[in-house]
Amino acid sequence: DAGVIQSPRHEVTEMGQEVTLRCKPISGHNSLFWYRQTMMRGLELLIYFNNNVPIDDSGMPEDRFSAKMPNASFSTLKIQPSEPRDSAVYFCASSLRDNTLAYFGPGTRLLVL
Amino acid sequence: GQQLNQSPQSMFIQEGEDVSMNCTSSSIFNTWLWYKQEPGEGPVLLIALYKAGELTSNGRLTAQFGITRKDSFLNISASIPSDVGIYFCAGSSAGSYQLTFGKGTKLSVIP
Repeated sequence: DAGVIQSPRHEVTEMGQEVTLRCKPISGHNSLFWYRQTMMRGLELLIYFNNNVPIDDSGMPEDRFSAKMPNASFSTLKIQPSEPRDSAVYFCASSLRDNTLAYFGPGTRLLVL
Repeated sequence: GQQLNQSPQSMFIQEGEDVSMNCTSSSIFNTWLWYKQEPGEGPVLLIALYKAGELTSNGRLTAQFGITRKDSFLNISASIPSDVGIYFCAGSSAGSYQLTFGKGTKLSVIP
């Protein structure tokens, strides 16, 4: 299995620009998570999907952040407009059910200038 | 909310030494997971624990689910340079999809 796939691996953008991060979960997994990792706050859960339906988005920082999962094999996390404080590593993870044995992707390193 | 205290924050050890790190929780967990993250990569699952008192090994790694269900320990025996990385504990409560992560233990191995 290819594991969780994320793209791009690195993104550098200017403040105010739209950023779209992409994720392909492990085939057969029905739970998908978006996390953000920073030095100050560690790993934070942003949003959780189960069977393509957003279950909990309470971790999404603000309205500038949105996430979609149009089908079982694809999800996007969008930031519009981006701000320097959004600079972080964004991870997508998937699991067979709930949050047990969550497998992480390699992450997208985002730098907003 | 739930909090996980992971210690130590960082460790510098000599190659060949054994390593111990632990996590304590403010509440009871039903699942404990241990992950390793290397620079530029995502966390990789090492060990999963599901029952109080459970002791599970994965090669030179051994993890235990504490009896109180509020703590977990990870031991690495005979460390080698490729053990370098940040080790995270994570826990979840019964019926919850939420994984709470510790802040990580950064391990450095001196050859």
